[in-house]
Amino acid sequence: QKEVEQDPGPLSVPEGAIVSLNCTYSNSAFQYFMWYRQYSRKGPELLMYTYSSGNKEDGRFTAQVDKSSKYISLFIRDSQPSDSATYLCAMSDRDKIIFGKGTRLHILP
Amino acid sequence: SQTIHQWPATLVQPVGSPLSLECTVEGTSNPNLYWYRQAAGRGLQLLFYSVGIGQISSEVPQNLSASRPQDRQFILSSKKLLLSDSGFYLCAWNSGQALTTTFFGQGTRLTVV
Repeated sequence: QKEVEQDPGPLSVPEGAIVSLNCTYSNSAFQYFMWYRQYSRKGPELLMYTYSSGNKEDGRFTAQVDKSSKYISLFIRDSQPSDSATYLCAMSDRDKIIFGKGTRLHILP
Repeated sequence: SQTIHQWPATLVQPVGSPLSLECTVEGTSNPNLYWYRQAAGRGLQLLFYSVGIGQISSEVPQNLSASRPQDRQFILSSKKLLLSDSGFYLCAWNSGQALTTTFFGQGTRLTVV
């Protein structure tokens, strides 16, 4: 079993919809959970991070962590065409950061 | 402010040729440094990470090596490239005390022909 599993998509949704992106993991040592956004041919940029179970909100984005189920989510409200990108979940223990494969998201105008 | 530089942006190399990709970080000291490879459909694969000068941890046995000759310099090398080495190579850093705030360079797109 891979340490981090993420559906690669692509996921296409109409503008204004709520988007739900998810990852599962197997390593109980992971303490920090992150979401990155990557536009084509660019390096990933950090969107949000959290280190505890529960929800964390930042504008239109909400990150959710359920450590008991080893499951994390990113919700995007009022999605915009500019949100079209690849979204990568990432997790770390102390030194290493392990990424999911990324989900390609298309917001249709 | 801290910045990360990675070059070149694109590279086309023949099979069997050597490789050297360089990454430098400015505005911080003793960063953790990382090399990732992103192949199509395979996500970000951690290749090497370093928590200090001369300290290299390898995650995946392969045709590549890494070195950290200076505090803020991280080099990815190969003596003989394979076709399978093609991909998007990303350098990243964090302060070590805040793993969550990891920053990436703009990447090098390597095509081995």
